[in-house]
Amino acid sequence: QVQLQESGPGLVKPSETLSLTCTVSGGSISNYYWSWIRQPPGKGLEWIGYIYYSGTTNYNPSLKSRVTMSVDTSKNQFSLKLSSVTAADTAVYYCARRRNPGTFISYFDYWGQGTLVTVSS
Amino acid sequence: DIQMTQSPSSLSASVGDRVTITCRASQSISTYLNWYQQKPGKAPKLLINAASSLQSGVPSRFSGSGSGTDFTLTISSLQPEDFATYYCQESYSTPGTFGQGSKVETK
Repeated sequence: QVQLQESGPGLVKPSETLSLTCTVSGGSISNYYWSWIRQPPGKGLEWIGYIYYSGTTNYNPSLKSRVTMSVDTSKNQFSLKLSSVTAADTAVYYCARRRNPGTFISYFDYWGQGTLVTVSS
Repeated sequence: DIQMTQSPSSLSASVGDRVTITCRASQSISTYLNWYQQKPGKAPKLLINAASSLQSGVPSRFSGSGSGTDFTLTISSLQPEDFATYYCQESYSTPGTFGQGSKVETK
């Protein structure tokens, strides 16, 4: 059974960079796409982007200028960096596995439990 | 971006009720539509992909239908564990927009 676990600081100051890591266990990170999704408190879900195990990325255009994702296959981990954060970036951040079995067919089948990141001074 | 609009935003129902949630896309997305269930404090769980394909392990009381711009998630007989928020998500485009959610509450 694939399991994902987010880790990183729960509090980030405004204008600084949010950094999170997702550790994948129970399966290999290879040959899959891996995503970050966030959910502000009491609100809906927003896809941040995904990274393929090879390093290819695709980011939400609304966040693209501030997002960097990376992958470390030796550690079965992938990471998110979001720069110049503001209070609007306060959210629960989820990592998830993105399956892509066909053109336009994609979905998130395994999720981490989520980690709350608060942006505040 | 494609906009996804769910209705209703919330509904009250009883165990045993048939529940229907609608998701409308701002443009045609064929059948590239997923449904997720989220319980408080938990990560979303995939129920249905490609509009009508039930994920392994998901009870058969859940079903999805639709194509183009209009989609439906139906729970044929609501069970106590089904009280949750449901989200649709299109996979036709980047960024794969989610709907705003539909909360199913106890009547």
